[in-house]
Amino acid sequence: EAQVTQNPRYLITVTGKKLTVTCSQNMNHEYMSWYRQDPGLGLRQIYYSMNVEVTDKGDVPEGYKVSRKEKRNFPLILESPSPNQTSLYFCASSPRGGRFNEQFFGPGTRLTVL
Amino acid sequence: AQSVTQPDIHITVSEGASLELRCNYSYGATPYLFWYVQSPGQGLQLLLKYFSGDTLVQGIKGFEAEFKRSQSSFNLRKPSVHWSDAAEYFCAVGPLGETDTGGGNKLTFGTGTQLKVEL
Repeated sequence: EAQVTQNPRYLITVTGKKLTVTCSQNMNHEYMSWYRQDPGLGLRQIYYSMNVEVTDKGDVPEGYKVSRKEKRNFPLILESPSPNQTSLYFCASSPRGGRFNEQFFGPGTRLTVL
Repeated sequence: AQSVTQPDIHITVSEGASLELRCNYSYGATPYLFWYVQSPGQGLQLLLKYFSGDTLVQGIKGFEAEFKRSQSSFNLRKPSVHWSDAAEYFCAVGPLGETDTGGGNKLTFGTGTQLKVEL
C-alpha cells in the first residue's frame, strides 16, 4: 500500500530535550516536506527536500533541522524544543515533474513541549 | 506570493441542510486546487482536486467544488449535510506544471473552516 508513515504519532517532551520525528514514504517520490498545523493558521511548510541531500527552508524553519540521506526518509529534528513548537506535524511527499504534483500526507504527529 | 483565504472560521448547519464553504486564492501561475478534510484527531483526507477541464469537480463523500477563475474562487458544496461531516475543512493551492517550482511542490493552505452540524 502506497503510504507516508510518521513516528511517533504522539509525543510529550520537555523544553530542551532533543527529539526526532521520522517520516518514510514507499512511493519513490523525489519531493518531501514537513508542515506544522496550528489553530487559526492552517498548515505551514517548515522544510522541504527535492531529492537526496537537497533540502531547503520553507516558511517557518526556525528551530528545526532536517536531513535527506535516503530517498524514502525525511526526519524532522528539534535540537532544543521549546513550547512554541507544540503543534501537529505532517510529513508529505510528491513525485517530481509531470502535471499532477499531488502531495500525499502522513497521519500526523502531535507534539507537546512542556 | 500565493495565498488562500477561507473567510468563514466557523460554520454551523443543520443536518440535511445544504453547505457551501468559501475559498478564494491568489496565485501567480496556473493553480492546482484542493480541498482537504480533517476529522477530530485525524490526519488530512483529500476530498477533491481541480487542475483543468470541467470547472465543477466531484469528490468523495458527496462533496463537489466549483472553480471560478474570474472570481479566483473554489467553493466547496454539499447538497445535504450529515452529522459525520462535522470536521475542519482546508482549501489549498499548489503549483501545476512540469518544471521544478520553489518549495518542492509546496501547498499553501487556508486557515480552515470548522463545520459544526446540528442534529
